[in-house]
Amino acid sequence: EDKVVQSPLSLVVHEGDTVTLNCSYEVTNFRSLLWYKQEKKAPTFLFMLTSSGIEKKSGRLSSILDKKELFSILNITATQTGDSAIYLCAVAGNQAGTALIFGKGTTLSVSS
Amino acid sequence: DVKVTQSSRYLVKRTGEKVFLECVQDMDHENMFWYRQDPGLGLRLIYFSYDVKMKEKGDIPEGYSVSREKKERFSLILESASTNQTSMYLCASSFGLWDGSSYEQYFGPGTRLTVT
Repeated sequence: EDKVVQSPLSLVVHEGDTVTLNCSYEVTNFRSLLWYKQEKKAPTFLFMLTSSGIEKKSGRLSSILDKKELFSILNITATQTGDSAIYLCAVAGNQAGTALIFGKGTTLSVSS
Repeated sequence: DVKVTQSSRYLVKRTGEKVFLECVQDMDHENMFWYRQDPGLGLRLIYFSYDVKMKEKGDIPEGYSVSREKKERFSLILESASTNQTSMYLCASSFGLWDGSSYEQYFGPGTRLTVT
C-alpha cells in the first residue's frame, strides 16, 4: 500500500531557529513530490520535486529530494512567527489522473 | 491567479439530512478533487474527477457521492449526513496533463461541516 510519512508530527521552535521537516514515502511508480503550507485555510503550494538531488529554494525555504533513499526534507532557516503552519508533503505515484497521496502533516509553531 | 471557491465556509446540518457542497474553479482544469481533513489523519481523498461526468473513488468514498455536470463545477453530496462526517472538506483542482508538470493542486478555502 502506498504511503507517505511525515516527521515530526509537531514541532515548537523559537524565532530565528532553523528547522528540518521530513517526508518519507513508499509509492509505486513515483512521479513527483510536493510540499504545501497550510495556515488557517487552504493549503498553498511551496515546491514540486521530480528529480533526485535537485534543491528547490525560495527565500528562507528550501527542499531536496532523495529518490534513492525515498525521502525529502523541507528546511526553513531564520524562522519567523509567520512560518507557523501545518506543512504537508504529498506524492504523485500510480494513482489515476493526478491524484496525490498526502502525509499527515507537521504542525510547526514558532514562538517569539 | 487560479481561484477555487467553495459554496460555504461553515455549515451545520442535522443527522440524516442530505448535504451538498459545491466547488467551482476558474482555470479550465480537467481534474477536480474532494478531500476531508481531520486532526491526526491528514488529508484523505474522497472522490476525484478527471473530466465532465467522470468520477473515481478515492480512499474513503463511503457515505459520499459526487457530481460533475460542468467542467468548472464539482459537487460533493452526503446522502444522509452522520456525525462521523463532521470534518473540514477541501476541494482542489489541477490540470490533466501527464508530463509531470501538472501535479500541483490548487485548493479552495474549505468548508467546515458540523453534523449534529
